[in-house]
Amino acid sequence: QKEVEQNSGPLSVPEGAIASLNCTYSDRGSQSFFWYRQYSGKSPELIMSIYSNGDKEDGRFTAQLNKASQYVSLLIRDSQPSDSATYLCAVRRAGSYQLTFGKGTKLSVIP
Amino acid sequence: NAGVTQTPKFQVLKTGQSMTLQCAQDMNHNSMYWYRQDPGMGLRLIYYSASEGTTDKGEVPNGYNVSRLNKREFSLRLESAAPSQTSVYFCASSEDSSQETQYFGPGTRLLVL
Repeated sequence: QKEVEQNSGPLSVPEGAIASLNCTYSDRGSQSFFWYRQYSGKSPELIMSIYSNGDKEDGRFTAQLNKASQYVSLLIRDSQPSDSATYLCAVRRAGSYQLTFGKGTKLSVIP
Repeated sequence: NAGVTQTPKFQVLKTGQSMTLQCAQDMNHNSMYWYRQDPGMGLRLIYYSASEGTTDKGEVPNGYNVSRLNKREFSLRLESAAPSQTSVYFCASSEDSSQETQYFGPGTRLLVL
């Protein structure tokens, strides 16, 4: 069974610190990797996507992918209280329509 | 543009009752999806429609049926609701099935007693 694993948290970081969120996946055929943010009671929204090994930066967010280790991470620099949410990791196998989601990591940024 | 809309926002059903969850998008997207989200289980795909006129099963299709009414609308039907179907249901759409960005609706909270 294809699995996407995330630490459920909560992960607490002080305002201004770097938050590091991690995700591992079991399917070596996975080709596309995504981070969604979900505020409590709201719907998920895509914040980052990454397809090749290495880092991808977008503003305060950096996604990191290591396919050999089957590991993808999200770094949030200068964390703000507004970043407090659940972060969902999702992966998609090459040629598949389906996204497989992890259970999410709850992040709390303390002012 | 409203994006992806879902009705109703909240529904309570008794075991055995039927209902249809409605979803519509105004982004001219080809692909649409139905997910359920349960505590501790994450988001799981129920059904999807890669394009108008086609539907396919996802990870957890049992107990559900779908209809892609037209390009804009994709409905999810529970014929005989069970307590195990208590969940939050999200509809999503994307430009096409190869597009990674899926836009989610606000969700429908369903409680089956």
